[in-house]
Amino acid sequence: GENVEQHPSTLSVQEGDSAVIKCTYSDSASNYFPWYKQELGKRPQLIIDIRSNVGEKKDQRIAVTLNKTAKHFSLHITETQPEDSAVYFCAASQSDTDKLIFGTGTRLQVFP
Amino acid sequence: DTAVSQTPKYLVTQMGNDKSIKCEQNLGHDTMYWYKQDSKKFLKIMFSYNNKELIINETVPNRFSPKSPDKAHLNLHINSLELGDSAVYFCASSPLGGRKTQYFGPGTRLLVL
Repeated sequence: GENVEQHPSTLSVQEGDSAVIKCTYSDSASNYFPWYKQELGKRPQLIIDIRSNVGEKKDQRIAVTLNKTAKHFSLHITETQPEDSAVYFCAASQSDTDKLIFGTGTRLQVFP
Repeated sequence: DTAVSQTPKYLVTQMGNDKSIKCEQNLGHDTMYWYKQDSKKFLKIMFSYNNKELIINETVPNRFSPKSPDKAHLNLHINSLELGDSAVYFCASSPLGGRKTQYFGPGTRLLVL
């Protein structure tokens, strides 16, 4: 079955700096890769996703890149703000299934 | 409000008890899920239902039994609670078909003493 690894487990940056979180997956059949943000005590919420037919997707300060050959994908947050502080999860699934396999999470702290 | 809702928000109980968590979505979605998030924040799928039919059943002890009376509701019943069941349980829903956004409920924090 699919296995998703996520690094780093914790990341501290200064406000205004960029943050990068990386994930690798094991199943080459996976073709959908969402990223979820979970603030303390709250529910996970989708922030961006990418499908395997594209290599990069951007939404304002957030971008995701996908390398299908290497089976890894990354989340990039530019101009970080204190409200970006949260746990971020990557996930992977296949088009014929609703089963999301989540990474182990990255706790991002943005210091003012 | 258009959302996924869960009750109760907190559940404190003794080992050996039986408890239920309820989930409802009014998003018109066909697929619903239960996830368990442990103390290390690992998020793991337990079950998923499509239109009241069980689709995903991960290696979860059979003390956990999901029940879907209709496509807007997916409840989780847990028998003979154990200390290791302490976690946050999230319900989620999504439209039918893969590669769709999953919308999570607020979570139920279960503490077994």
